[in-house]
Amino acid sequence: AQSVTQLGSHVSVSEGALVLLRCNYSSSVPPYLFWYVQYPNQGLQLLLKYTSAATLVKGINGFEAEFKKSETSFHLTKPSAHMRDAAEYFCAVRPTSYSSASKIIFGSGTRLSIRP
Amino acid sequence: EAGVAQSPRYKIIEKRQSVAFWCNPISGHATLYWYQQILGQGPKLLIQFQNNGVVDDSQLPKDRFSAERLKGVDSTLKIQPAKLEDSAVYLCASSLVRGGIGETQYFGPGTRLLVL
Repeated sequence: AQSVTQLGSHVSVSEGALVLLRCNYSSSVPPYLFWYVQYPNQGLQLLLKYTSAATLVKGINGFEAEFKKSETSFHLTKPSAHMRDAAEYFCAVRPTSYSSASKIIFGSGTRLSIRP
Repeated sequence: EAGVAQSPRYKIIEKRQSVAFWCNPISGHATLYWYQQILGQGPKLLIQFQNNGVVDDSQLPKDRFSAERLKGVDSTLKIQPAKLEDSAVYLCASSLVRGGIGETQYFGPGTRLLVL
């Protein structure tokens, strides 16, 4: 069964600092991978997704993630944090082979706080 | 383009009472999903519809939860009777296609349920 592990339930960085949110997946074959952001009292919004094309994926709001098969990782980064980036971030995985069981599995989330 | 609409936004009930949530997906989206998001966790898929048919309800507690999408557009999720552990945010999402690279799920703002 596929799964994702997000290391660190809470990450705090200073405004302007590098943001690094960690995600490791478990899968027998490289899956589709996603990062979603959830602002307070809102639904989830797709930041970016990996679909077996380029290993470095660029998303919205200046975020990007790199798929590393050897490390089974898909870490999310942003060079310079803004106050508006404060939110909950979820990594998710879905198998590439389609079946009725190919649901998206979400990680437990990482809350990102930005210090002024 | 209007997003996924959900109502109500908040609901407080006592245990053993019934409650219903409504979702209207993005126009033209054939696939509709209901997720349960317990505080501190990632969303968990409860049920997935393709048009008005159920694709996956393996994680739906069928003794108390039910969902329908009669005309293949909007959907209702019901809990009867509610338990304390049902306190969560219930998220509705929709996608244009099911599976494959093209599947991007768009989420509504969610309904926050508190069972006392």
